[in-house]
Amino acid sequence: QVQLVESGGGVVQPGGSLRLSCAASGFTFSSYGMHWVRQAPGKGLEWVAFIRYDGSNKYYADSVKGRFTISRDNSKNTLYLQMNSLRAEDTAVYYCAKDGLPYGDHGFGLDYWGQGTLVTVSS
Amino acid sequence: QSVLTQPPSASGTPGQRVTISCSGSSSNIGSNYVYWYQQLPGTAPKLLIYRNNQRPSGVPDRFSGSKSGTSASLAISGLRSEDEADYYCAAWDDSLSGGVFGGGTKLTVL
Repeated sequence: QVQLVESGGGVVQPGGSLRLSCAASGFTFSSYGMHWVRQAPGKGLEWVAFIRYDGSNKYYADSVKGRFTISRDNSKNTLYLQMNSLRAEDTAVYYCAKDGLPYGDHGFGLDYWGQGTLVTVSS
Repeated sequence: QSVLTQPPSASGTPGQRVTISCSGSSSNIGSNYVYWYQQLPGTAPKLLIYRNNQRPSGVPDRFSGSKSGTSASLAISGLRSEDEADYYCAAWDDSLSGGVFGGGTKLTVL
């Protein structure tokens, strides 16, 4: 069965950095694009970033562009999100999610989600 | 302000039919598929509808989606207490080159 397990969340000071990981199993990771989506406490969902199945294309929300970097290691079945210059407004639960479209540039049918990892930016 | 506009709340009694609307623009709903997600309290979102009106396996046929122009809607018939959740519409936006979600609709089963 498909499993996505995020890790790397925690408390960080404003201006600091954090790297999230998402370990994938139960499907051919290298065939599917992957997304990061976040949810601030008590708020709605916000799409953060997408990476194509082969890593050749990456897209970012304007709110994180230039600060966050999405990447993947298909040999390790792992997705990453490097977060730099963190701000208080980046505080959220971060979910990794699998795109339902194989070999696509981007769909947006996120058919499997991880349980999320909490990132808190506070001094 | 979300790019896609949903009503913040909706409600119905058991057995009723409720609809949740989602309004966008030509760069998102107007030119791409619409997706719907259900988020039960304290859990990760779950894909409910994909490609405007398709249901993943395991999703009851009480849930249906439709799209017309730059708007979409989710209908839930035979409302049940376990349907009480937050519902989000989503689409890719060609102008933003990114995904966009609606602000979410909290469904209450009275």
